Amino acid sequence: NAGVTQTPKFQVLKTGQSMTLQCAQDMNHNSMYWYRQDPGMGLRLIYYSASEGTTDKGEVPNGYNVSRLNKREFSLRLESAAPSQTSVYFCASSTQLMNTEAFFGQGTRLTVV
Amino acid sequence: KNEVEQSPQNLTAQEGEFITINCSYSVGISALHWLQQHPGGGIVSLFMLSSGKKKHGRLIATINIQEKHSSLHITASHPRDSAVYICAVRAQGGSEKLVFGKGTKLTVNP
Repeated sequence: NAGVTQTPKFQVLKTGQSMTLQCAQDMNHNSMYWYRQDPGMGLRLIYYSASEGTTDKGEVPNGYNVSRLNKREFSLRLESAAPSQTSVYFCASSTQLMNTEAFFGQGTRLTVV
Repeated sequence: KNEVEQSPQNLTAQEGEFITINCSYSVGISALHWLQQHPGGGIVSLFMLSSGKKKHGRLIATINIQEKHSSLHITASHPRDSAVYICAVRAQGGSEKLVFGKGTKLTVNP
């Protein structure tokens, strides 16, 4: 019953450091997404992947890169972390273009100091 | 103006009360989602609606496409219902983007 698994759950980075957030789903979903959640704001789409081998920018892609490694895995990379990237990050997946139920990971709380 | 507006922002209720959370949106949509986020952060999908009404246990979600409005109702509320409830819409036209409301924080006191 894993669903969508994100790692790590918590991370503290220094400004300029890099890291990769990992996401894997075991539901054979085509579509995967990365969102960030900031206080007082709704979730905002960073990047998404409609199928294996494709990725597209969302609403707030600057400072991030993604890789759809295979159908199961979709990673988010911060090449040079900035304090503005302090946020809670959620990975999500769905069967088809978000017209079906979305499944979310537990979130990664990232602090950049 | 945000494309998705939720009201109220915060709601406190006594156990057993009937709860209504509202969501209004300004764009044509193909689907609307209601999500629940508990303290500790995990997000769970409650409903996905494109028309009419859905019910699951004590939760009922309705949508009025013409009025661009949806409501989430909780009957016989319980302290375990305390969470943030989030409305999200997917615009018509094949967009991948889900637009989220800011959420309604519900606290149910025993």
